[in-house]
Amino acid sequence: GENVEQHPSTLSVQEGDSAVIKCTYSDSASNYFPWYKQELGKRPQLIIDIRSNVGEKKDQRIAVTLNKTAKHFSLHITETQPEDSAVYFCAASINQAGTALIFGKGTTLSVSS
Amino acid sequence: NAGVTQTPKFRILKIGQSMTLQCTQDMNHNYMYWYRQDPGMGLKLIYYSVGAGITDKGEVPNGYNVSRSTTEDFPLRLELAAPSQTSVYFCASSSTGRGGELFFGEGSRLTVL
Repeated sequence: GENVEQHPSTLSVQEGDSAVIKCTYSDSASNYFPWYKQELGKRPQLIIDIRSNVGEKKDQRIAVTLNKTAKHFSLHITETQPEDSAVYFCAASINQAGTALIFGKGTTLSVSS
Repeated sequence: NAGVTQTPKFRILKIGQSMTLQCTQDMNHNYMYWYRQDPGMGLKLIYYSVGAGITDKGEVPNGYNVSRSTTEDFPLRLELAAPSQTSVYFCASSSTGRGGELFFGEGSRLTVL
């Protein structure tokens, strides 16, 4: 079955710096790769996603890149702000139909001002 | 529009007891999921359903059962609770199985003593 590895597990940056979180997946049939943000004590919420027919997607300060050949994808956050502090999860669809998601273990991002 | 509603929010069980975590959604979503979240371990898929009457195992189904008799409801049953089932449980739903956003409930924190 699908396996998703996520690195690093913790990341500390200064406000205004960039942050990069990387994930790898095992199932070449996976075709959907979302990123979720979970603030302390809250539910996970989708922040950006990418499908396998696209190499990069941007939404204001966040971007996601996908390398299908290498089976890895990354989240990039530029000009980080204290409110970006949270746990970020990558995920991959379990099959080509995308009926369910397998999540990475998460990255705790701390942005200090 | 309440979204995804989980009950109870908190529960303490004794070893060997059974209970049901309730999940209901009012968005007419066909796809529903149960995940558990343990510190540093991300979100693990327990069971999922692609529609009423259809359920499938995820990554960690042992010790749990589900049913899906209606589109709205997807209860998770814990039989013979064990300390290893101490976790935060999230129910989620999606309008599409082809890589759609998951809408999570607020979570249910379960402690087994």
